[in-house]
Amino acid sequence: KAGVTQTPRYLIKTRGQQVTLSCSPISGHRSVSWYQQTPGQGLQFLFEYFSETQRNKGNFPGRFSGRQFSNSRSEMNVSTLELGDSALYLCASSVGHGGTDTQYFGPGTRLTVL
Amino acid sequence: AQSVSQHNHHVILSEAASLELGCNYSYGGTVNLFWYVQYPGQHLQLLLKYFSGDPLVKGIKGFEAEFIKSKFSFNLRKPSVQWSDTAEYFCRRSGTYKYIFGTGTRLKVLA
Repeated sequence: KAGVTQTPRYLIKTRGQQVTLSCSPISGHRSVSWYQQTPGQGLQFLFEYFSETQRNKGNFPGRFSGRQFSNSRSEMNVSTLELGDSALYLCASSVGHGGTDTQYFGPGTRLTVL
Repeated sequence: AQSVSQHNHHVILSEAASLELGCNYSYGGTVNLFWYVQYPGQHLQLLLKYFSGDPLVKGIKGFEAEFIKSKFSFNLRKPSVQWSDTAEYFCRRSGTYKYIFGTGTRLKVLA
């Protein structure tokens, strides 16, 4: 079974621009979660989608948004980029949502904001 | 607010030494606990998880963890580490609406 894939793997943007990241979950998985990983803050939960509906949301500003399509693929959008948005963005998929499902992580998208 | 604390940020051990990495979680709410590992250049992967039942949980690669409710702890252990265990280890808590990771512990095992 193919793992979680994320595209692109690397991105360089400038302040004020917007960016869209993509995640394809493992086949059969209906839940996709997004995380931001930085050296200072560690792994922070952004949001989770299940069956095209946002189920959970972390403590990030509204500039961070996402969506999920009927095939469970998910996109994350960051508008008006700031320098502090430079991070590794990880996507994870699971069969269901909630607290007990194992999440399988992708390789991440490395975003650099100049 | 729910939280997860990993007090050891960096650990250096020699091969064959025993390992214990601390993880403490805050009181309240559903407690589902996980340990993930990130080897250099690789994805995060699950080591083990605990939801209920036997508080001693065995995972992959010889790792185990013990859930101690009275101490709000879920420490990761391995009796004898190998050079290949060099990685970053994350404790994670999940509830109905939140997924919270600890800040991670970087383990370096010297050959």
